[in-house]
Amino acid sequence: GENVEQHPSTLSVQEGDSAVIKCTYSDSASNYFPWYKQELGKRPQLIIDIRSNVGEKKDQRIAVTLNKTAKHFSLHITETQPEDSAVYFCAPGANQAGTALIFGKGTTLSVSS
Amino acid sequence: SQTIHQWPATLVQPVGSPLSLECTVEGTSNPNLYWYRQAAGRGLQLLFYSVGIGQISSEVPQNLSASRPQDRQFILSSKKLLLSDSGFYLCAWSLGTGTQPQHFGDGTRLSIL
Repeated sequence: GENVEQHPSTLSVQEGDSAVIKCTYSDSASNYFPWYKQELGKRPQLIIDIRSNVGEKKDQRIAVTLNKTAKHFSLHITETQPEDSAVYFCAPGANQAGTALIFGKGTTLSVSS
Repeated sequence: SQTIHQWPATLVQPVGSPLSLECTVEGTSNPNLYWYRQAAGRGLQLLFYSVGIGQISSEVPQNLSASRPQDRQFILSSKKLLLSDSGFYLCAWSLGTGTQPQHFGDGTRLSIL
């Protein structure tokens, strides 16, 4: 089965700095790569996703880059703000009937002002 | 637009008591449905998923069970709760296979005394 690892597990940055979280996966059949943000006590919410025919996708201050050869994808947050403080999960998925996204263990991002 | 409802929001139960958590989805048909559990400060553990009425896949053997009596209704149950069943339970839905985003409900915070 899919083995998903996120690094780092915790990340502390100053407001305005950039943050990068990396997700590695093992299943070469994975072709969908989303990132979720979970604020304390709330539900995870999709913030950005990318499919295997694209190498990079950007949405304002967040971006996701994909290296399918090396089996990893990364979340990039620029100009961090205190409201970016949350737990971030990667969840690669494959186009196979009856499968679910496999979530990483999460990265806790703390942005201090 | 699609919405997902999950209740109750919080629940306090004694050890050995039964459990029933309900999740319903509106605005779509034949969704994939999922139950996750999240221990405090931990990642998302997939418990069950369903691709159709009466079709349940179990990811982790335990004293919990799931049922899907209607297309957009997913129920998580237990006959006798254990202390280790405490956690944040999240229901989610998606369209189709593992290449579609999952959308989460607001969760149920379950405390076992």
